[in-house]
Amino acid sequence: AQSVTQPDIHITVSEGASLELRCNYSYGATPYLFWYVQSPGQGLQLLLKYFSGDTLVQGIKGFEAEFKRSQSSFNLRKPSVHWSDAAEYFCAVGASQAGTALIFGKGTTLSVSS
Amino acid sequence: NAGVTQTPKFRVLKTGQSMTLLCAQDMNHEYMYWYRQDPGMGLRLIHYSVGEGTTAKGEVPDGYNVSRLKKQNFLLGLESAAPSQTSVYFCASAGPGLAKTRTDTQYFGPGTRLTVL
Repeated sequence: AQSVTQPDIHITVSEGASLELRCNYSYGATPYLFWYVQSPGQGLQLLLKYFSGDTLVQGIKGFEAEFKRSQSSFNLRKPSVHWSDAAEYFCAVGASQAGTALIFGKGTTLSVSS
Repeated sequence: NAGVTQTPKFRVLKTGQSMTLLCAQDMNHEYMYWYRQDPGMGLRLIHYSVGEGTTAKGEVPDGYNVSRLKKQNFLLGLESAAPSQTSVYFCASAGPGLAKTRTDTQYFGPGTRLTVL
């Protein structure tokens, strides 16, 4: 079955510390992978995406993610977290076929402590 | 260029009432989607459309109907609302459209928060 697992429901990180959010997927076809961020009361904003090629992808706001096919993972990282990064983060998987809907993980809530 | 907009932003219904949520996009995208977001559940697909005049069921379609009479609009209807439909509803669209964006990258609206009493 196709699925996305985000093992951490809630993570707290000190401001300035590094961050890694985990994402594992199960998908029959070649996966297209996405990370979205949702600030409280807001819609979803695309952080970054992986389709093919270089397995380390750069996104907005200083985020990056690494695709590891052998581990079926697509973890999100940031070297130094800012208070404004506090939000909910969603990993999603899709396919290359046009119109394919995304399968989302349940999300990880990030809190940033001062 | 407003992107994806949703109307209304908030709504409270009583059980049994009906309503329609409107999603509009100005990017000439072919593909449009309705998701619902519930705490601890992530986003789940309700219905989607691969073009004007076409609709298809997603993961959780029961209790909802949709229509895509115009390419830029995707309507989600609740004929007889139930408390289980209390949720935040997100609409999304995907290319290629005017900007020739990839069809696998979805752009989301701001959401509609619906409460059914």
